Amino acid sequence: AQSVTQLGSHVSVSEGALVLLRCNYSSSVPPYLFWYVQYPNQGLQLLLKYTSAATLVKGINGFEAEFKKSETSFHLTKPSAHMSDAAEYFCAVSTIVSNTGKLIFGQGTTLQVKP
Amino acid sequence: EAGVTQSPTHLIKTRGQQATLRCSPISGHTSVYWYQQALGLGLQFLLWYDEGEERNRGNFPPRFSGRQFPNYSSELNVNALELEDSALYLCASSRGQQTNQPQHFGDGTRLSIL
Repeated sequence: AQSVTQLGSHVSVSEGALVLLRCNYSSSVPPYLFWYVQYPNQGLQLLLKYTSAATLVKGINGFEAEFKKSETSFHLTKPSAHMSDAAEYFCAVSTIVSNTGKLIFGQGTTLQVKP
Repeated sequence: EAGVTQSPTHLIKTRGQQATLRCSPISGHTSVYWYQQALGLGLQFLLWYDEGEERNRGNFPPRFSGRQFPNYSSELNVNALELEDSALYLCASSRGQQTNQPQHFGDGTRLSIL
């Protein structure tokens, strides 16, 4: 069965510092991978997606993620944090076989940005 | 383009009542998904509709049901409400059934059970 693990439920960085949010997946076949962001009292906004094309994926708001099959990882990075990046971030996977329609989400990582 | 819209924003009910939540997908999207985001339980898949048919449902009791209309909008019905049904209910839509199509989410309906 597929699963997603996000290491660190809370990450705190200073404004201008590197953001690194970790995501590891478990799947017998490399899945499609997504990162979403959720601001307070809002839904989820798609940041970026990996769907078997380039392994380094660029998304919105300066975020990017690299798919590493050997490490079963899809970590999210941003070179310089802004105060507006403070939110909850979710990594999600969907299967490339036997379409179930569902995304399997990690438990989320809350990003705090300190001035 | 307009995003996924959900109504109402907030809904307050008491135990045993029934709730109806509504969702309009992005224009051109045929698949609609429902998720529950409950405190401490994360995001849980509820239902998937495509072309008016229920394609899959998550591990939820039958009192959670829904439908998709010919215009691809959808509603989620929850009968015999229980306290643990209090959660944010998120609707998402995608262009077609392919799993590489990202799901785009609305802002959700906050359901509170008193």
